[in-house]
Amino acid sequence: SAVISQKPSRDICQRGTSLTIQCQVDSQVTMMFWYRQQPGQSLTLIATANQGSEATYESGFVIDKFPISRPNLTFSTLTVSNMSPEDSSIYLCSACHSYEQYFGPGTRLTVT
Amino acid sequence: AQTVTQSQPEMSVQEAETVTLSCTYDTSENNYYLFWYKQPPSRQMILVIRQEAYKQQNATENRFSVNFQKAAKSFSLKISDSQLGDTAMYFCAFMKPKGNEKLTFGTGTRLTIIP
Repeated sequence: SAVISQKPSRDICQRGTSLTIQCQVDSQVTMMFWYRQQPGQSLTLIATANQGSEATYESGFVIDKFPISRPNLTFSTLTVSNMSPEDSSIYLCSACHSYEQYFGPGTRLTVT
Repeated sequence: AQTVTQSQPEMSVQEAETVTLSCTYDTSENNYYLFWYKQPPSRQMILVIRQEAYKQQNATENRFSVNFQKAAKSFSLKISDSQLGDTAMYFCAFMKPKGNEKLTFGTGTRLTIIP
């Protein structure tokens, strides 16, 4: 298995600003993923982050809005840029280990 | 593209009883993985159980077991001797292993265990 931590656990941000969420895995993994989850809803994949290459974004998500870094095999960041109230959500990162995905505790973002 | 359907938005059951959560999926793949995840109010996603499509034997993990029907594309989760700590959202998920290993989630079932 893999243990994943995320920072911050929650934040309240003003419209037009940006927030960077950090995700740390306790072991080296090839694939890391970023999801968004509205309260009471399912998870929607934002992008897949591989070390040493550009992130792959899902339909409806673009790099200018959600830039992702993956500097090494244990760490990734997701930035939510130029935030609006519609970006208020829970953001979760995950890592794939032996065909099982393990999740971080999530970051609850509120944009005012 | 794969789709995952959970037709039961909410369920409730008395403590110590058995409950079954339904999941169906659609894929043209022959080899894949299926998962059940639990998300309690703490919002931490917890992997409950995994099933490989090439295995005919149903996966079990303590009080959790699955009924995997590959031809019917059905993957239900049975929770035996339910406990208050089982109260959570449960998500069914699909993974195609030879690709980028991303998960496709169902819409979830909110399960409440009644004391």
